Amino acid sequence: QVELVESGGGVVQPGGSLRLSCAASGFNFRTYGLHWVRQAPGKGLEWVAFIRYDGSNKCYADSVKGRFTISRDNSYNTLYLQMNSLRPEDTAVYYCVKGDILTALLFDSWGQGTQVSVSS
Amino acid sequence: EIVLTQSPVTLSLSPGERATLSCRANESVSTYLAWYQQKPGQAPRLLIYDASNRATGIPARFSGSGSATDFTLTISSLEPEDFAFYYCQQRSRWPLTFGPGTKVEIK
Repeated sequence: QVELVESGGGVVQPGGSLRLSCAASGFNFRTYGLHWVRQAPGKGLEWVAFIRYDGSNKCYADSVKGRFTISRDNSYNTLYLQMNSLRPEDTAVYYCVKGDILTALLFDSWGQGTQVSVSS
Repeated sequence: EIVLTQSPVTLSLSPGERATLSCRANESVSTYLAWYQQKPGQAPRLLIYDASNRATGIPARFSGSGSATDFTLTISSLEPEDFAFYYCQQRSRWPLTFGPGTKVEIK
């Protein structure tokens, strides 16, 4: 079955950087679009970024545009999120999410998330 | 961006009762609306897509309806495991957006 395992979260100071990884298994990784979705403590869900199955197209939420970069390595079935210039409001659980096969815009499988805390 | 609002914020019901959750968009999303369930400490799970289609493995007590700007998620008879948060999400236009959620709690 589909498995998505995030790693790389932690505590970082404002202005710092982190790189999240998501190791995927149980599906044909190179044929699916993938997303990062985050959830601040006690808050709702916020879509962060999307990457097309072949990496040729990427989209970002305005709140992270210019600071975060989504990428993937289809040879290693791994999704990444490079986060620079981190702010306290980026504190959240970050989920790696698989898109559906038809549109890539439905979140049909989720990882368990990795916690990112931005604090001085 | 498309803004989704959900009501009520909290729904207090007993097991066996019917739950009706609402999601409203500030502009038409056609039927490109999905519903997710999230239990405390867990990742969300896709329930309904394209307004009225149940995702794989979702029980028949969950149903969705609506189009354009007004949508409803109905749980026909609440089971103990249904007490959770529910979020709607639109895929009509970038950026993809979620509603703020409805908490279904035990009365």
